[in-house]
Amino acid sequence: DIQMTQSPSSLSASVGDRITITCRASLDITKDLAWYQQKPGKVPSLLIYGASTLHSGVPSRFSGSGSGTDFTLTISSLQPEDVATYYCQKYHSAPRTFGQGTKVEIK
Amino acid sequence: QVHLVQSGAEVKKPGSSVKVSCKASGGTFRTYTFSWVRQAPGQGLEWMGRIIPIIDTAYYAQKFLGRVTITADESTSTVYMELSSLTSEDTAVYFCAIDNWGFDYWGQGTLVTVSS
Repeated sequence: DIQMTQSPSSLSASVGDRITITCRASLDITKDLAWYQQKPGKVPSLLIYGASTLHSGVPSRFSGSGSGTDFTLTISSLQPEDVATYYCQKYHSAPRTFGQGTKVEIK
Repeated sequence: QVHLVQSGAEVKKPGSSVKVSCKASGGTFRTYTFSWVRQAPGQGLEWMGRIIPIIDTAYYAQKFLGRVTITADESTSTVYMELSSLTSEDTAVYFCAIDNWGFDYWGQGTLVTVSS
């Protein structure tokens, strides 16, 4: 099975900072990569699919890039409401593996 | 706009089974694929399997093979996830989701607690 590895596992940044989360697949997954945000105690929500396409209603400060095995999620200007855990996931082929998550906090 | 509503919290004994339901509304049930995901306390997301109701075919994560069964009832627009031989390690919140370009709609989650 293809493994998904995220880094870092956690980060702390100031409001307004630009932050980047990395996700690496153990094999080529082309652009079949999604990113999710899960706020504490809430249901995960889709942020990005196709590695770089913003899901409906997602603020434009979120962006995704990459293809093949290396992907990034960027928040251009971190806001207090962005405190959450972020997960990458490969889709369109089984298993739909998630990364282990990156917890984002405000400094 | 699709809406997924899951059944309520369950408390189960070790060795027993649990069946969680997920009722879809606001869309065309047979055009969807549904996945099940679980999240143990303080842990990450774990994909369990998926079902394509239009062809009545389910696929399961290797870890759960032989222990999980995912079914769909088109007449009630409901999908089910049954997990057997429960242990304390199965204590988790279980989510259903529409499996499309990523998981774009999620149920509210069902807490399953396994305790003697």
